[in-house]
Amino acid sequence: QSVLTQPPSVSGAPGQRVTISCTGSSSNIGAGYDVHWYQQLPGAAPKLLISGDSNRPSGIPDRFSGSKSGASASLAITGLQAEDEADFYCQSYDSSLSGYVFGTGTKVTVL
Amino acid sequence: EVQLVESGGGLVQAGRSLRLSCAASGFSFDDYAMHWVRQVPGKGLEWVSSISWHSGYIGYADSVKGRFTISRDNAKKSLYLQMNSLRPEDTALYYCAKDIGSSGRGGSWFDPWGQGTLVTVSS
Repeated sequence: QSVLTQPPSVSGAPGQRVTISCTGSSSNIGAGYDVHWYQQLPGAAPKLLISGDSNRPSGIPDRFSGSKSGASASLAITGLQAEDEADFYCQSYDSSLSGYVFGTGTKVTVL
Repeated sequence: EVQLVESGGGLVQAGRSLRLSCAASGFSFDDYAMHWVRQVPGKGLEWVSSISWHSGYIGYADSVKGRFTISRDNAKKSLYLQMNSLRPEDTALYYCAKDIGSSGRGGSWFDPWGQGTLVTVSS
């Protein structure tokens, strides 16, 4: 079961900015656990996009940025490109479940 | 280059067992915790299990606790998932993923991931 809630889909025209929310609770994001984001292109394995709330691994364009406030986090994509069409997942840790949790996933469509 | 290659998936009847393997290369396997994550085709990601570098810490999702066993062989640079009493709801693509640290406990993330091995459980 997913304990982190994301919108099922977001869309935008090329060049636009879109944001994806990730809402948790006091036992995960709200407890201070870091949030990480993954991009899953069609037919591929998930790939790390953002770690530790807002850090981009080497090779990830600065069009992608992450933030966190309270029990929620957000991923922003600026200058949307056709190649950004993918599913995006947030991930954290839940102290009540004593395990890792993923968001419900968001499909990004470039119009 | 870090590589993770899963194997062992297949079609199995409900109630039977299956053992998944993940062969690691390109990094010091015994320095890192490892994880299994699964994904029902077309659906979201679900964490399954984690193991620390020396197997001192092991964690399971409630959905598999008591049925699945994670293990590792550092000498063989391999991660395993023994799956017993399989259910149709265990049908998924199973990924192994490397931790960025050694403990496997909270706060960590998964990078990189293997390509996955498909497990199909028929009723």
